[in-house]
Amino acid sequence: DAGVTQSPTHLIKTRGQQVTLRCSPKSGHDTVSWYQQALGQGPQFIFQYYEEEERQRGNFPDRFSGHQFPNYSSELNVNALLLGDSALYLCASSSWDRAWTEAFFGQGTRLTVV
Amino acid sequence: DAKTTQPPSMDCAEGRAANLPCNHSTISGNEYVYWYRQIHSQGPQYIIHGLKNNETNEMASLIITEDRKSSTLILPHATLRDTAVYYCIVPYTGNQFYFGTGTSLTVIP
Repeated sequence: DAGVTQSPTHLIKTRGQQVTLRCSPKSGHDTVSWYQQALGQGPQFIFQYYEEEERQRGNFPDRFSGHQFPNYSSELNVNALLLGDSALYLCASSSWDRAWTEAFFGQGTRLTVV
Repeated sequence: DAKTTQPPSMDCAEGRAANLPCNHSTISGNEYVYWYRQIHSQGPQYIIHGLKNNETNEMASLIITEDRKSSTLILPHATLRDTAVYYCIVPYTGNQFYFGTGTSLTVIP
């Protein structure tokens, strides 16, 4: 059983460009959350998707948007990239109806903005 | 903001038990405590979680005080591979995790 998979693993973009990151949740999970982890800091919650809708959102600008597909996979889009968007982007999957159970994280996408 | 406070760093001798404390004084009655660890920029790895009873699995034990205001993660026989940042988390609604700064555990040979 594959766990949470993220693609790509590494990405280099130029300031001002747009980027799309992808996440496939663990089998049996229907909820996807995205996190940003800057170097030396803990992960910061961006937003969460369930039933193809954004359910929760952290303190991130509208340049960060997402989507969830009927198969529960998800995309994170970042527009107008800034140098400060360079970070490890993590995806976590969980079960909405069993919120007391654990969430599983992918290995992340390392985004570098130059 | 994170609902938990942890010491920034700890050392532990290899083969000894590592006891990592966490304070969560504002926890409410139905909120769980989760522990994750992160090894050098890999994705966070789930360790254990609990509500009020002590919990044990193949990785660790979780001891929660009776008033639930603090907990301790115990790695019974620490190895060098346990060197990592350990996060104690009490999620917000909908399993939003706020990680805080965690405890950087160094296992010393």
